[in-house]
Amino acid sequence: QSVLTQPASVSGSPGQSITISCTGTSSDVGGYNYVSWYQQHPGKAPKLMIFDVSDRPSGVPNRFSGSKSGNTASLTISGLQAEDEADYYCSSYTSSSTLVFGGGTKLTVL
Amino acid sequence: EVQLLESGGGLVQPGGSLRLSCAASEFTFSSYAMSWVRQAPGKGLEWVSGISVSGGSTYYADSVKGRFTISRDNSKNTLYLQMNSLRADDTAVYFCAKRGSSSVLRQGGFDYWGLGILVTVSS
Repeated sequence: QSVLTQPASVSGSPGQSITISCTGTSSDVGGYNYVSWYQQHPGKAPKLMIFDVSDRPSGVPNRFSGSKSGNTASLTISGLQAEDEADYYCSSYTSSSTLVFGGGTKLTVL
Repeated sequence: EVQLLESGGGLVQPGGSLRLSCAASEFTFSSYAMSWVRQAPGKGLEWVSGISVSGGSTYYADSVKGRFTISRDNSKNTLYLQMNSLRADDTAVYFCAKRGSSSVLRQGGFDYWGLGILVTVSS
């Protein structure tokens, strides 16, 4: 299966906003509204931050938001905080009835 | 609080077999789809396999199809992954993950994850 394309790293200062992109094809990201985003701190299990493109689980701050345009989904974090420093992964349903993850993006809070 | 506890990992020789278990508690296990997701050392997440609430529908990544079998026992609140013909590139931490709905692959995302269990394939 193909891996969704994410930038290897992004960075921002506290209080700023950053956006992480996740690019796929019409067979995955572009074809369905089933994109999820996960946050993973070192040595920890992933945590669901966004599901179904833009829905936020209870308990996730509204600083985190998701969107999609064409074959690219995006995760935006506004009001960046030190604890947001982590790896972020996108995931999508595919037309092959599988799930595919992105390669991951390391967020550094400067 | 939802708990997912993986067990059964360890060191196995190439070509060998291993069975992972995931004991679930504090939620109605039989109402949610489940999956296994793995992470090779220093690498990203890779979805391995998913199973429907009844166990009647199963899905696999191409990398494990024909070698791994996912199953569940709703009476025991337990998810399983039988891994055969193991290869060095199967070495990873394996996470048990609960789907946020009854949909195996579509709606909901993975809303709870276990801590993971390490599987090492080496001679």
